[in-house]
Amino acid sequence: AQKITQTQPGMFVQEKEAVTLDCTYDTSDPSYGLFWYKQPSSGEMIFLIYQGSYDQQNATEGRYSLNFQKARKSANLVISASQLGDSAMYFCAMRGLSSNTGKLIFGQGTTLQVKP
Amino acid sequence: NAGVTQTPKFRVLKTGQSMTLLCAQDMNHEYMYWYRQDPGMGLRLIHYSVGEGTTAKGEVPDGYNVSRLKKQNFLLGLESAAPSQTSVYFCASSYQAGTYEQYFGPGTRLTVT
Repeated sequence: AQKITQTQPGMFVQEKEAVTLDCTYDTSDPSYGLFWYKQPSSGEMIFLIYQGSYDQQNATEGRYSLNFQKARKSANLVISASQLGDSAMYFCAMRGLSSNTGKLIFGQGTTLQVKP
Repeated sequence: NAGVTQTPKFRVLKTGQSMTLLCAQDMNHEYMYWYRQDPGMGLRLIHYSVGEGTTAKGEVPDGYNVSRLKKQNFLLGLESAAPSQTSVYFCASSYQAGTYEQYFGPGTRLTVT
């Protein structure tokens, strides 16, 4: 069975500072992908970043980077230089790549508030 | 491109009533999904489809049915609504499985009284 755990229900960060959102996972699939999505208060789900289990380097997309530690089964999202618009809920999700279903398993989410 | 659209955006049902939620995508995606989002529980997969004419059960399928008669549309039906089905429903689509991200619709907020 696959499971995603986000242990931080809510976090605060000062504007312009960096913040790390934690995500740990469990899977028996030898090949898998990890995704992060952002959900602002307006409700839409916005894809941020992807990391494959066999990728040699940690993924980066602009101010977003993924701190992937395979042995520890963690895939933490790092947001650098936080902006007020980063205030939102963030979801970590995982997909096993051995099956062809494309199903995503989501964590419970972390609410991030950026302080001016 | 409109991306993924959902109809309606809001709906209030009485217990026992039925309704259909419509999801449409214009990206020629093969895969489509229905999730529900409840406070503190993230998104949970209800049903999904890996291509036109196919459907499969997800994590929480009870009380829901789906159909994918056309590639661009994925319908979610509630035959006899229950208060436990009060939730926000999201439709998503992806080009394929593998490393492709899912694109989400804006959501439908359903309240069952």
